[in-house]
Amino acid sequence: DSGVTQTPKHLITATGQRVTLRCSPRSGDLSVYWYQQSLDQGLQFLIQYYNGEERAKGNILERFSAQQFPDLHSELNLSSLELGDSALYFCASSPGVLRSDEQFFGPGTRLTVL
Amino acid sequence: AQSVAQPEDQVNVAEGNPLTVKCTYSVSGNPYLFWYVQYPNRGLQFLLKYITGDNLVKGSYGFEAEFNKSQTSFHLKKPSALVSDSALYFCAVRDRRNQAGTALIFGKGTTLSVSS
Repeated sequence: DSGVTQTPKHLITATGQRVTLRCSPRSGDLSVYWYQQSLDQGLQFLIQYYNGEERAKGNILERFSAQQFPDLHSELNLSSLELGDSALYFCASSPGVLRSDEQFFGPGTRLTVL
Repeated sequence: AQSVAQPEDQVNVAEGNPLTVKCTYSVSGNPYLFWYVQYPNRGLQFLLKYITGDNLVKGSYGFEAEFNKSQTSFHLKKPSALVSDSALYFCAVRDRRNQAGTALIFGKGTTLSVSS
């Protein structure tokens, strides 16, 4: 158990809908990352937050947004969902922003868009 | 461009034999390299990392990795494979394109299958 929790485990929804994925980092970790894992794209970095502030953006669509709250949990919001958004979404955390820090991954949220 | 390549989609090895999972990287500057393992329906678990220093890095579950700067490689190794090592293995490099961020760039992954 990495100490990173994600809810829900599974999410099934329809095209055009909006969903929210939730992540609680390991105790004490200030950085939160979101990654998308799909068969065709592999593991892709979406966005990073550090202590409540956006730190870096990756291949995140404009339909997607995220935030990190004062208690350090994070939410990833996916809107106007398309079939291609079906994927496994991982949250990871690390203590800070040192390049040498490893990241600890949650179990993921499997999103299915029908 | 920064990238990680895992040239083998699948590696098959018999239990008790040594295993190698290959990884090559392309990154500007000194690389920070990582190996993760993913079991079915689970998140990624950290195995080991190379930051600087000794080219042979030891990690969890008896795994080790050898950093080779001239060949830009970071191959994962284990002297004696176990059936329980069967999983999906990812090599990753710290993304240096954004100086403020500390995200990882992952390879496509290699499925390791250990037969008894």
